Amino acid sequence: TQLLEQSPQFLSIQEGENLTVYCNSSSVFSSLQWYRQEPGEGPVLLVTVVTGGEVKKLKRLTFQFGDARKDSSLHITAAQTGDTGLYLCAGGTNFGNEKLTFGTGTRLTIIP
Amino acid sequence: DAGITQSPRHKVTETGTPVTLRCHQTENHRYMYWYRQDPGHGLRLIHYSYGVKDTDKGEVSDGYSVSRSKTEDFLLTLESATSSQTSVYFCAISRTGTMSNQPQHFGDGTRLSIL
Repeated sequence: TQLLEQSPQFLSIQEGENLTVYCNSSSVFSSLQWYRQEPGEGPVLLVTVVTGGEVKKLKRLTFQFGDARKDSSLHITAAQTGDTGLYLCAGGTNFGNEKLTFGTGTRLTIIP
Repeated sequence: DAGITQSPRHKVTETGTPVTLRCHQTENHRYMYWYRQDPGHGLRLIHYSYGVKDTDKGEVSDGYSVSRSKTEDFLLTLESATSSQTSVYFCAISRTGTMSNQPQHFGDGTRLSIL
């Protein structure tokens, strides 16, 4: 069974600060997706990374896929209250298995 | 936003009763998924479908069954609900599945309480 562990589980910081959340596994994934979920809604895709070492930027958010494709990180610069939410990573494989493995989630709260 | 509708959005029922949740999509996507979300567990896959009448189990399929008689509808049934099935249930759709790195688009969830 493939597992994705996210850390920290909870994070509360002041607006304007920087932060990094992590997504780690002992398994190799062919792709890694990051989703953000707001209360009462379903997760919404932020980014997909597919190459080991790949870095993608989405405004103040920087996503990195580990060289060995077992881990990923999300860095937010100058956090804003609108960044508050549950961040989920999800790994996909190309082993004929059409399923995503979701991480345990990081609940981020940005304090004004 | 992807056209995904889950119904009902909220339901309270008693232990031992059957419950059916519906997911309806207007995107004509091939893949449909049912997840449950519980604190500390992220999203866990219950069942998924890769076409009409084609379904497979996920990691937490015990106590659940699914059916897909039309491309647009994917039903999740709890044959005899138990309190451990109290959760928020999400439906998701995907155009071509994970092998092509396609994203999943989610509905807004069904909050189910089993008393």
